[in-house]
Amino acid sequence: QSALTQPASVSGSPGQSITISCTGTSSDVGGYNYVSWYQQHPGKAPKLMIYDVSNRPSGVSNRFSGSKSGNTASLTISGLQAEDEADYYCSSYTSRWVFGGGTKLTVL
Amino acid sequence: EVQLVQSGAEVKKPGESLKISCKGSGYSFTSYWIGWVRQMPGKGLEWMGIIYPGDSDTRYSPSFQGQVTISADKSISTAYLQWSSLKASDTAMYYCARRGIAAADAFDIWGQGTMVTVSS
Repeated sequence: QSALTQPASVSGSPGQSITISCTGTSSDVGGYNYVSWYQQHPGKAPKLMIYDVSNRPSGVSNRFSGSKSGNTASLTISGLQAEDEADYYCSSYTSRWVFGGGTKLTVL
Repeated sequence: EVQLVQSGAEVKKPGESLKISCKGSGYSFTSYWIGWVRQMPGKGLEWMGIIYPGDSDTRYSPSFQGQVTISADKSISTAYLQWSSLKASDTAMYYCARRGIAAADAFDIWGQGTMVTVSS
């Protein structure tokens, strides 16, 4: 099972919105509503931000939202803040887990 | 507080064995799957495998099957990841993570990570 495809980097200015894509196939992202997103700051463990495509765990800001269309899932961060600068990983579950390659978000 | 606490950093030589640990607290350890995730230096996340401490049901990623062994001791709420013969390519950060129940497709609690360095 190949890794999911994410852009290597995205950037945005404070207050703006950005979207990170995550492309898989009909056998993973497209076939099930089991996409999750993680945020990882340098030197820290990943943190769950979105599960089941669009659900936020308790305590995660509503500035973070998830969606899916066909074989591509997306994470949108609105009202960008400096603290959002981090690496973001998508993941798909289909009896096993596969992660995307990660996207580095830079807040300009 | 729900948390997973991992054992400390390790420095090993090629060919040596190693077992790292992940201790859960603040929740029913036997009711949640525990997964292991590798992150090589400067690279992304890779799922290695998962265990259900309640009955030790274990699943492996094909990429890691036969390369590592995942186990758990429910009496002390601890999961393990072990190698019988380390290679330099095993140098990485290893995270344990709890699979959610409401979020069954995701890992909702993560350990702080254990850095494993394999060098001659």
